Amino acid sequence: EAGVAQSPRYKIIEKRQSVAFWCNPISGHATLYWYQQILGQGPKLLIQFQNNGVVDDSQLPKDRFSAERLKGVDSTLKIQPAKLEDSAVYLCASSLDPRGVNEQFFGPGTRLTVL
Amino acid sequence: GDSVTQMEGPVTLSEEAFLTINCTYTATGYPSLFWYVQYPGEGLQLLLKATKADDKGSNKGFEATYRKETTSFHLEKGSVQVSDSAVYFCARGGGSNYKLTFGKGTLLTVNP
Repeated sequence: EAGVAQSPRYKIIEKRQSVAFWCNPISGHATLYWYQQILGQGPKLLIQFQNNGVVDDSQLPKDRFSAERLKGVDSTLKIQPAKLEDSAVYLCASSLDPRGVNEQFFGPGTRLTVL
Repeated sequence: GDSVTQMEGPVTLSEEAFLTINCTYTATGYPSLFWYVQYPGEGLQLLLKATKADDKGSNKGFEATYRKETTSFHLEKGSVQVSDSAVYFCARGGGSNYKLTFGKGTLLTVNP
């Protein structure tokens, strides 16, 4: 079974530029998550989708971050414009069941460096 | 709000040593508890989980017991190997949308 795919793996941009990340979850997984992992910290949930609807985006900085999940499968996360403090690893995860009792499967992440 | 506090690292052990990484969680509701592991250059992988009080999760020689009375979920392994070198994250799942809240992670290095 293929895992969660993410691209690109690495991205370097200058502040005020835009960037987009892509995620393809495990086939059949209805729930998709985007996390931000700053160096030395645990992942922090940015947004959670159930199919193509948003369940929780309370920690998404909506003035600069946006995410969509068209057709309830792939998802993109965009930052526009980027700030220095956005440097982090962006993790995508998916699960069969939105309840926390089931496992979330994580992709390898995209490491973003903002200069 | 929900939070997880885990032992700060880094932790450095010799092969075959005993490992304990402490983790405590906020007791709001009835959370499920998890340990995830992140090997160098890889994504997070579920190591073990427990869904209710007194449950013991185990995998690859690692164990953790859900202790409601002490709000703890400490990770243990009797004899670590070099291949166990990784970052370990404790997490709780719960709340209205069952989201995961992670601790800051503990870097473990095992020397031969």
